[in-house]
Amino acid sequence: DIQMTQSPSSLSASVGDRVTISCQASLDISIYLNWYQQKPGKAPKLLISDASNLETGVPSRFSGSGSETDFTFTITSLQPEDFATYYCQQYHNLPITFGQGTRLEIK
Amino acid sequence: QVQLQQWGAGLLKPSETLSLTCAVYGGSFNGYYWTWIRQSPGKGLEWIGEIYHSGSANYNPSLKSRVAISRDTSKNQVSLKLSSMAAADTAVYFCARGRQLEHFDYWGQGTLVTVSS
Repeated sequence: DIQMTQSPSSLSASVGDRVTISCQASLDISIYLNWYQQKPGKAPKLLISDASNLETGVPSRFSGSGSETDFTFTITSLQPEDFATYYCQQYHNLPITFGQGTRLEIK
Repeated sequence: QVQLQQWGAGLLKPSETLSLTCAVYGGSFNGYYWTWIRQSPGKGLEWIGEIYHSGSANYNPSLKSRVAISRDTSKNQVSLKLSSMAAADTAVYFCARGRQLEHFDYWGQGTLVTVSS
């Protein structure tokens, strides 16, 4: 299985901050990587597909980059509704695997 | 607007079989991978398996011996069966639509499944 390692596992930030989350794959996955946001008690929401493509309706303050094994997810100018847990997910190989998540908390 | 609504038993005893169903409303059933994913505090998000509208299915090798995913195209429904349930299978189970392979763009509301004697 391809292992997906996110860092940090948790992060404290303030409204208006810029935050970056990293995701590292154990093998080259090209750009076959998605990012999700999950709020407590809810299903994950797809934000970015193919490493850098913003889903329709997702604010432009969210962005993604990277390829092969190293990927980055960035939120510029944090908003109150952005405090949540974020996951990366690879779909280069089956089984599909997810990172362990990064919990973004209010400082 | 696409909606996925799921249901099934939430409390099972060890060795029993989990049975969940997910109905798809407001969109096409064809052309997508219909997927089951579970989430537990200990293991995070875990992909269980998927079925294409044609009926071809793929499963996580870690669960393959116990899992079966089926679909009923006449009802736009997907079902999950997971046998020999144990405490380690306690989790929230989600169905999801996989667009363009495995971009999970619509999800069910989740079902908390607890395994306890």
